[in-house]
Amino acid sequence: AQRVTQPEKLLSVFKGAPVELKCNYSYSGSPELFWYVQYSRQRLQLLLRHISRESIKGFTADLNKGETSFHLKKPFAQEEDSAMYYCALASKAAGNKLTFGGGTRVLVKP
Amino acid sequence: ETGVTQSPTHLIKTRGQQVTLRCSSQSGHNTVSWYQQALGQGPQFIFQYYREEENGRGNFPPRFSGLQFPNYSSELNVNALELDDSALYLCASSLAAGLGNEQFFGPGTRLTVL
Repeated sequence: AQRVTQPEKLLSVFKGAPVELKCNYSYSGSPELFWYVQYSRQRLQLLLRHISRESIKGFTADLNKGETSFHLKKPFAQEEDSAMYYCALASKAAGNKLTFGGGTRVLVKP
Repeated sequence: ETGVTQSPTHLIKTRGQQVTLRCSSQSGHNTVSWYQQALGQGPQFIFQYYREEENGRGNFPPRFSGLQFPNYSSELNVNALELDDSALYLCASSLAAGLGNEQFFGPGTRLTVL
């Protein structure tokens, strides 16, 4: 069974400080991992996916298969980063079904 | 290009009633997935439709059913509503059903069951 865990419900940081959102998953095969973001009054949207190895809006995430983690990081948080972040997993076995974590709310204070 | 749309925006039903939620997929997309998001939780997969056929189902009872039309729009039907069905229902469309196809989400329908 697929499972995604985000241990922090809320992360509060000051502008300019680093931010790291934790994501751990359980899946025996080779999963595809994503980070989705939901800004206030907007719909859920894809932020980044591990296979593209991109940095989006200054965020990066590295898939660590040994630790089954996919933490999201940004070295200098901005106020516009305040949002709800969800880690999600998909697998070839389950098609394009996404399994989401419970989400982490990020609040960037001025 | 129009994004994913959902209707209605919100609705209130009573326990035991039936409800139909609608989703219009993004132009060119043939796959629609439905998710339930309870308050304070992440979205949970209900089922997916690919070219009018169900293509995977999550851990939801049979009273949750769906349909996809030839234009790839979709409906989610819930019978015998229970209080725990109160949630935000999200629809997402993608170009195809396979892994690697980005899912684009609609704004959701907020269902309250009294």
